[in-house]
Amino acid sequence: AQKITQTQPGMFVQEKEAVTLDCTYDTSDPSYGLFWYKQPSSGEMIFLIYQGSYDQQNATEGRYSLNFQKARKSANLVISASQLGDSAMYFCAMRFKTSYDKVIFGPGTSLSVIP
Amino acid sequence: DAGVIQSPRHEVTEMGQEVTLRCKPISGHDYLFWYRQTMMRGLELLIYFNNNVPIDDSGMPEDRFSAKMPNASFSTLKIQPSEPRDSAVYFCASSPQLRGYTFGSGTRLTVV
Repeated sequence: AQKITQTQPGMFVQEKEAVTLDCTYDTSDPSYGLFWYKQPSSGEMIFLIYQGSYDQQNATEGRYSLNFQKARKSANLVISASQLGDSAMYFCAMRFKTSYDKVIFGPGTSLSVIP
Repeated sequence: DAGVIQSPRHEVTEMGQEVTLRCKPISGHDYLFWYRQTMMRGLELLIYFNNNVPIDDSGMPEDRFSAKMPNASFSTLKIQPSEPRDSAVYFCASSPQLRGYTFGSGTRLTVV
């Protein structure tokens, strides 16, 4: 069965520090994509970063980077130089090409940035 | 690019009434998804379409829920009759193949 696990329901980080949000997944599909989304208190879902299962390098987008370890089935999000505006829920998601591009989401991690 | 447009933003209705949620995807996106978000269950995929054709509706809770995509620029999610446990935020999202997709702002549904 395909499943996403985010083991940290809540995290705190000091402003300007780096933080890692964990995501592990379980699938037997050879081809998939991994995503991270941010949901601030206003409710909208904001796409942050994408990693393909065959990508050789870890994805980076500004202050966001994805620590992709395929053998361990983990796709942790690293946020560098945290800002107060980073306080939000963060969701890890996976898309399965062999399952007609179905996407499932993890339960989310609530990140609070402390001044 | 106006993004994914959902309407209404908020809906309050009485139990037993029909509710219709609307979505306009981004032009050129082949996939359209309907999600429901609650505190208890998180984000649940209800149904998704590829080129206007429903691909997987296994997430639709029960027969009271139905979704249509009559053309590439419009989709509806209908609940009839609505129940208080249907109260949630309903998101529509669209995407091109395999990349991250864009969410609409959501419809907050309250059934009293």
